[in-house]
Amino acid sequence: KQEVTQIPAALSVPEGENLVLNCSFTDSAIYNLQWFRQDPGKGLTSLLLIQSSQREQTSGRLNASLDKSSGRSTLYIAASQPGDSATYLCAVVDSSYKLIFGSGTRLLVRP
Amino acid sequence: EAGVTQFPSHSVIEKGQTVTLRCDPISGHDNLYWYRRVMGKEIKFLLHFVKESKQDESGMPNNRFLAERTGGTYSTLKVQPAELEDSGVYFCASSQHTLREQYFGPGTRLTVT
Repeated sequence: KQEVTQIPAALSVPEGENLVLNCSFTDSAIYNLQWFRQDPGKGLTSLLLIQSSQREQTSGRLNASLDKSSGRSTLYIAASQPGDSATYLCAVVDSSYKLIFGSGTRLLVRP
Repeated sequence: EAGVTQFPSHSVIEKGQTVTLRCDPISGHDNLYWYRRVMGKEIKFLLHFVKESKQDESGMPNNRFLAERTGGTYSTLKVQPAELEDSGVYFCASSQHTLREQYFGPGTRLTVT
């Protein structure tokens, strides 16, 4: 059974710092991995999708990497800003095409 | 292009009542998914439609939950009768193809009292 874990559960950093969020999954048989952000009381906003054949994807200040063999992904946020404060969720698409989510990392970027 | 929309945004009902949630996917997206998050837990898959057909309903908790997608456009999720443990946020997502990016709606917060 696929399980997704995100570490840390919460993170507080000063503005301008570069940071890394971690995601691990137990079964390497995934089709892709998707990173989302969720603002309080809002839906999920897709940030990046990495196909299983890819090693990384970049969008602006965000860079996501995928190491399928070790069951790990990282989301790197460069030059963090207060507007980056949100919960970041990692999810993998398993063999039945559904997303399996981690519990998220709550990020606070202090001005 | 309009995103995924869900209605209502919030519903408060009493135990034993019926509630119907609606999801309108992004136009042209054949794949429609329902997920939910109950208090303190991860977001969990409920079911997956491809057009009007149920591709996978393995996540549906029990037979009090009924999902439909008539005509392959919008979808409804009915809970009848509602129980206290059904409280949570119900998300709908859609994608153009099965392994493409899933786009989520804002969710419906269901409170059963």
